Formats: sequence, C-alpha cells, structure tokens
Amino acid sequence: DGGITQSPKYLFRKEGQNVTLSCEQNLNHDAMYWYRQDPGQGLRLIYYSQIVNDFQKGDIAEGYSVSREKKESFPLTVTSAQKNPTAFYLCASRTPTNEKLFFGSGTQLSVL
Amino acid sequence: GQSLEQPSEVTAVEGAIVQINCTYQTSGFYGLSWYQQHDGGAPTFLSYNALDGLEETGRFSSFLSRSDSYGYLLLQELQMKDSASYFCAPQDAGNKLTFGGGTRVLVKP
Repeated sequence: DGGITQSPKYLFRKEGQNVTLSCEQNLNHDAMYWYRQDPGQGLRLIYYSQIVNDFQKGDIAEGYSVSREKKESFPLTVTSAQKNPTAFYLCASRTPTNEKLFFGSGTQLSVL
Repeated sequence: GQSLEQPSEVTAVEGAIVQINCTYQTSGFYGLSWYQQHDGGAPTFLSYNALDGLEETGRFSSFLSRSDSYGYLLLQELQMKDSASYFCAPQDAGNKLTFGGGTRVLVKP
C-alpha cells in the first residue's frame, strides 16, 4: 500500500534535547511538507521541500531544521531552541498535479 | 503578506446545509483546497478549485471567486459523521500551502 508513514506516534523530549521526527513516503511525490498543530488550532507550516536537496522555510521555522537527502524521506528535527515544542506534528506529500496533499497519521510531541 | 479568514464554529442539525466561507489574501494565488479533519486524526483532502466556479463532489461542493479572493465549502444533507473541522488552504505559485484556523462543524441529531 502506498502512503506516508510518520514515526514515532508519541515522542517525549527532555529539556535541552534535540529530537527527530521521521516521515517516509512511497508515493513518488516530489513535494513534502511539515505542519505543526496546537490543540483546537489550525495547521501552521514549518518547512516544505519541492525537490531533493532543496527546502524552504514556512511560517514558523525557528527552532526547527529539516533535510531532504532522499525523495522518500523528509525528517524534522525539533531543536532545543524551540522553547514550546509540545504539539501535534503532521507530515504531508503532494500529488504531481499539485492539488492534493496526503497526510501521515502524525506525531504527538510532549515535553517532560 | 498573507491572511486567511474562516468562521471558527458552525452548528447545524442532521439533514441541513452548511456553508463555510473562506476569504484569503495570498501573493501569487494559484488555487484553493479544502480539507476535513476529525478529532485526533489527520486532515483528508476534500476538493480543489483553481478556476472560478463550483466543483461538486457528492454531498460536498466548493466554490471559488478569484476576483473576490473568496471561496466556500457547501456541506449538504448533513450527517453525524460530518462533525469535524474543515480547513481552507490557499496555494501560491511557489507551492506553499497555508491552512486557516479551521471551522469546527457540530452536527446535532
């Protein structure tokens, strides 16, 4: 089955720690996205990548970093500079015709 | 800059019709998408409008007016399972997709 896989489903971060959220897709999509969602709120764009080895900052990139070394993978690192990281993180990829995002099931990140 | 507005909440009864409006200001606007998200789940794609007019997909329809920077999602014959949050998402020419704050739709028996 084709799709987007995010792992882990739940993640806990200690003070001062960097953590990495995984996102893998086997849909052969070029574009991939990371969004953050706080309770009862909309989705805010963190980073997006339109092609391998290239990515752009979204609206709330501070405290986050990404890489896009392979088409299938777009990991997100939440650094210690992100002071309020508790949120639901969603990864998505986009169809070649550009109108539809497919989302993973999300990672809930909490601070210990 | 960019801005996006949609109502925060709508309540309706089963069988009713609900219209969720979305106004946007997006540089290099390319198209408008709509997504549905149930509590605790991931958003799922509902519709996309690149041109002015109405797109119909079963009980759901979406409308776009590029000149007015306005669109809406129409939910017809509401069912209990339609209780969810609905997001409009304008796309710019650089493939940046921004989501609004969402409209929470509550369907009552």
